[in-house]
Amino acid sequence: AQKVTQAQTEISVVEKEDVTLDCVYETRDTTYYLFWYKQPPSGELVFLIRRNSFDEQNEISGRYSWNFQKSTSSFNFTITASQVVDSAVYFCALSTNNQGGKLIFGQGTELSVKP
Amino acid sequence: GAVVSQHPSRVICKSGTSVKIECRSLDFQATTMFWYRQFPKQSLMLMATSNEGSKATYEQGVEKDKFLINHASLTLSTLTVTSAHPEDSSFYICSGRGTSWVRDIQYFGAGTRLSVL
Repeated sequence: AQKVTQAQTEISVVEKEDVTLDCVYETRDTTYYLFWYKQPPSGELVFLIRRNSFDEQNEISGRYSWNFQKSTSSFNFTITASQVVDSAVYFCALSTNNQGGKLIFGQGTELSVKP
Repeated sequence: GAVVSQHPSRVICKSGTSVKIECRSLDFQATTMFWYRQFPKQSLMLMATSNEGSKATYEQGVEKDKFLINHASLTLSTLTVTSAHPEDSSFYICSGRGTSWVRDIQYFGAGTRLSVL
């Protein structure tokens, strides 16, 4: 069975703090993709990153960084020096070729960054 | 990233009417489009998957006669909520997935908030 777990339902931080959003996934497929999407209050889902199962290199993009560890089936997302504009719901998702490209979403983590 | 346009962004209708929502991929060809429903404070629930020129594949529990999906071209998919009732009120969001540089990534529209009175 495929499953994505985001154990943190809500996180509240003060601006400029670093924050890590956890994501744990389950799949028996050896080829899969992991994603993070951001959903601001306006509602649209914004694609942030895709990582395939064969690429465990960590990625950094500005204030965002991602830590992919197959040994613990985790794909965590860190925002450094958080800003109010980072306030949103963040979704981690999994897709496999056996599922026809369907995305299996976690429950989402609502991040609130206070000034 | 690729752009998906969805509209209307908000619609209010009377019970019993039908509502059509459009989803267009603007700068890529979406060979597959997905339709989701999202309740407040919840994750996205996949309703159906459609491939261009084929009938949509619906997820278990989703009424295909209630939620009509048409994917007539590589850039346009529509969702029609037929005979809408208050329990159909929700946030509906589409995504498109294409080939080449957009392959394996779903790009989402801005969503449609449906309120049925």
